[in-house]
Amino acid sequence: DQQVKQNSPSLSVQEGRISILNCDYTNSMFDYFLWYKKYPAEGPTFLISISSIKDKNEDGRFTVFLNKSAKHLSLHIVPSQPGDSAVYFCAASGFQGAQKLVFGQGTRLTINP
Amino acid sequence: KAGVTQTPRYLIKTRGQQVTLSCSPISGHRSVSWYQQTPGQGLQFLFEYFSETQRNKGNFPGRFSGRQFSNSRSEMNVSTLELGDSALYLCASSTPGLAGGDTQYFGPGTRLTVL
Repeated sequence: DQQVKQNSPSLSVQEGRISILNCDYTNSMFDYFLWYKKYPAEGPTFLISISSIKDKNEDGRFTVFLNKSAKHLSLHIVPSQPGDSAVYFCAASGFQGAQKLVFGQGTRLTINP
Repeated sequence: KAGVTQTPRYLIKTRGQQVTLSCSPISGHRSVSWYQQTPGQGLQFLFEYFSETQRNKGNFPGRFSGRQFSNSRSEMNVSTLELGDSALYLCASSTPGLAGGDTQYFGPGTRLTVL
């Protein structure tokens, strides 16, 4: 049973435009959500997080939106840059100890010049 | 601050052998978690240690074990290696209980290949 789902395996966006990555979860006990960026053979790099008491968190070009009723979160990257090309993972935690992250399968983002 | 470090970065073993991987967390971080990444299963939680005690454990067989030392450094051990244990093993550290402390920061990983 996959509790965190990223239904789009890949996404291609033109440089300068907005990239929107989506993530759905099934367990309502999750209360902390994170987005990570990952290059092959490297560890995930933390991008941005959001607590369940908020519906939006912004950090520079990155904004995460949380819709608790729909159990959905999204990551917006504006404007998209070539260096943003990577695999993006959403992760959730909260119900079995905050340090146990449950990851989605990832979305490969490609930014085209 | 230095980031999370993991050693070795690459490892090749044969079936039946055992392996020990090491992780040094960010200075001041007391929680260390381990994850396995494979193409088929994605990123999966192995276990978490805090103050030398295992607090959480994922759904992995007993061949996977770990420990944490008083300086928060952690090791994980896999015994009787199987081909399916070939994966990228990632360590992450955090400071739970502090403001903003639930974010886990990952090391570069150890790539284990079992032949």
